[in-house]
Amino acid sequence: EVQLVESGGGLVQPGGSLRLSCAASGFTFSSYWMNWVRQAPGKGLEWVANIKQDGSEKYYVDSVKGRFTISRDNAKNSLYLQMNSLRAEDTAVYYCARDGGEATDCWGQGTLVTVSS
Amino acid sequence: DIQLTQSPSFLSASVGDRVTITCRASQGISSYLAWYQQKPGKAPKLLIYTASTLQSGVPSRFSGSGSGTEFTLTISSLQPEDFATYYCQQLNSYPFTFGGGTKVEIK
Repeated sequence: EVQLVESGGGLVQPGGSLRLSCAASGFTFSSYWMNWVRQAPGKGLEWVANIKQDGSEKYYVDSVKGRFTISRDNAKNSLYLQMNSLRAEDTAVYYCARDGGEATDCWGQGTLVTVSS
Repeated sequence: DIQLTQSPSFLSASVGDRVTITCRASQGISSYLAWYQQKPGKAPKLLIYTASTLQSGVPSRFSGSGSGTEFTLTISSLQPEDFATYYCQQLNSYPFTFGGGTKVEIK
């Protein structure tokens, strides 16, 4: 069974940093692009970033460029999102999600990040 | 960035109704469009990809159509478990934007 389990969310002050992790199991992690998608409370979905199988290509939404960094460790079947210079508008549930080639076909349960003083 | 406009944003319907949701793209995206269903407190679930291909395990009452800039998701006979919010997403070019969502509620 494919499983994606996020961790690392929590309360952080504006300007602070947080590192999210996603543990993958049930599939060959190194064969897939991987994504981070977020959802602010009561709002819609927003694609944040993705990373190629070997980590050689990474793409970001403009609002996080220069502040967030996506990375992966295929030996540990893990995906990461380093978030720096956090703002109130980054408050959201962050989902780790697998790119099945044509769409995002598997999602984790999400981890909540709250940016507030 | 490619903008996706979903309509309606809210829909009230009864069990057994045929429901159609539209997603319009600000520029052509070929068939690189997916549809997701999300229930409260849960992660989204993939329903359809490449505009019209049904994801494995998804009931056949769901169907998708369209290409270019206009797409539709149709539920042929709404079931109680279908009351949820539906999102489209384009995967033609970065950033992979989502539509604003359509909430389907019980009439």
